[in-house]
Amino acid sequence: QKEVEQDPGPLSVPEGAIVSLNCTYSNSAFQYFMWYRQYSRKGPELLMYTYSSGNKEDGRFTAQVDKSSKYISLFIRDSQPSDSATYLCAMINNQGGKLIFGQGTELSVKP
Amino acid sequence: GAVVSQHPSWVICKSGTSVKIECRSLDFQATTMFWYRQFPKQSLMLMATSNEGSKATYEQGVEKDKFLINHASLTLSTLTVTSAHPEDSSFYICSARRDGTYEQYFGPGTRLTVT
Repeated sequence: QKEVEQDPGPLSVPEGAIVSLNCTYSNSAFQYFMWYRQYSRKGPELLMYTYSSGNKEDGRFTAQVDKSSKYISLFIRDSQPSDSATYLCAMINNQGGKLIFGQGTELSVKP
Repeated sequence: GAVVSQHPSWVICKSGTSVKIECRSLDFQATTMFWYRQFPKQSLMLMATSNEGSKATYEQGVEKDKFLINHASLTLSTLTVTSAHPEDSSFYICSARRDGTYEQYFGPGTRLTVT
């Protein structure tokens, strides 16, 4: 079993839709949770960085962490074609170990 | 803020030659930097972790004599692919962890083609 599970998609939605991206994990030591966006042939861009359980909002993006369920989510409101990319969840424990990535979900927002 | 640059963005070299890739954190200090490799449609594969002033830690299966890493300052790490072969052709991405946090920022990547 992988430490972090993420549905690879692809996920296709119409412009303006609310997108929900999710990851589950098995290691209860993970404390810091991140979401990255990666466009084709580019490096990943850090979108959200959260610590422990709770919600964090930044513009159209909301990150949720539920440590009791070992489940994290990223919501994108009013999705735009420019949001079409691969979204990677990532997490790390508080010992400063390696960042563990999900497989990435490929998102396509159709105009 | 939190910008990481990589140079070159793409490079073509002949088999048997060496190639150096630079990774710089432009507006923050990074004692720890990372080097990844990514194949098409796949997630990032960590190659090594470099800490300023000490030897890099390589992941299992990564040849340290082939992929030389130097982290000479708090803003610069380099990856040298020695005696490159066509199977080394790939997308190489560096990242830098902002000191005092676990935030990790990635460079734009370097596409290496070995002919």
